[in-house]
Amino acid sequence: KQEVTQIPAALSVPEGENLVLNCSFTDSAIYNLQWFRQDPGKGLTSLLLIQSSQREQTSGRLNASLDKSSGRSTLYIAASQPGDSATYLCAGVGNQFYFGTGTSLTVIP
Amino acid sequence: GAGVSQSPSNKVTEKGKDVELRCDPISGHTALYWYRQSLGQGLEFLIYFQGNSAPDKSGLPSDRFSAERTGGSVSTLTIQRTQQEDSAVYLCASSLHSLGNTGELFFGEGSRLTVL
Repeated sequence: KQEVTQIPAALSVPEGENLVLNCSFTDSAIYNLQWFRQDPGKGLTSLLLIQSSQREQTSGRLNASLDKSSGRSTLYIAASQPGDSATYLCAGVGNQFYFGTGTSLTVIP
Repeated sequence: GAGVSQSPSNKVTEKGKDVELRCDPISGHTALYWYRQSLGQGLEFLIYFQGNSAPDKSGLPSDRFSAERTGGSVSTLTIQRTQQEDSAVYLCASSLHSLGNTGELFFGEGSRLTVL
């Protein structure tokens, strides 16, 4: 069974710092990798999708990469802002979507 | 519609009652998914629809849970004889293609169910 681990589980940083969130899969046989953010009491908002033929995607201050050989993905957030505070989840697509339990990020003004 | 729409946003019910949760996916999306998220927990897969059929029902926790999808669009998740452990946020998501050829997954805001 596919297991998804996100490290760290929680992270607190001062505003302006660059940071990296990690996601790893026990089974590297995934097609796509998607990163989401979830604000308290809300649904999940899609941030970036890395499709099977790609290795990374960028959107604004966010950059996500995928190394299928090792089953690892990272989400890089540049120049963090208080509005980035949320829970970040990764999901790998195999025969279903496999979600990690998330990294809770707090950016301190 | 513009996004995935779920209703009701909040539902409080008494133990033993039946509830129906509705999901209206993004227009044209063939794949639809239901997940459950308990307080402070990760996402628990419930069921996946491709069109009106459900190739994967493996996540439904018990026979009190059922779901259907009609017209390749709206889906209803029904929980019969609700129990307190059913309290959670039920999230619906849709994507343009089926698993194995999938695109981006889009979520609704969820239906928060509280069973007293």
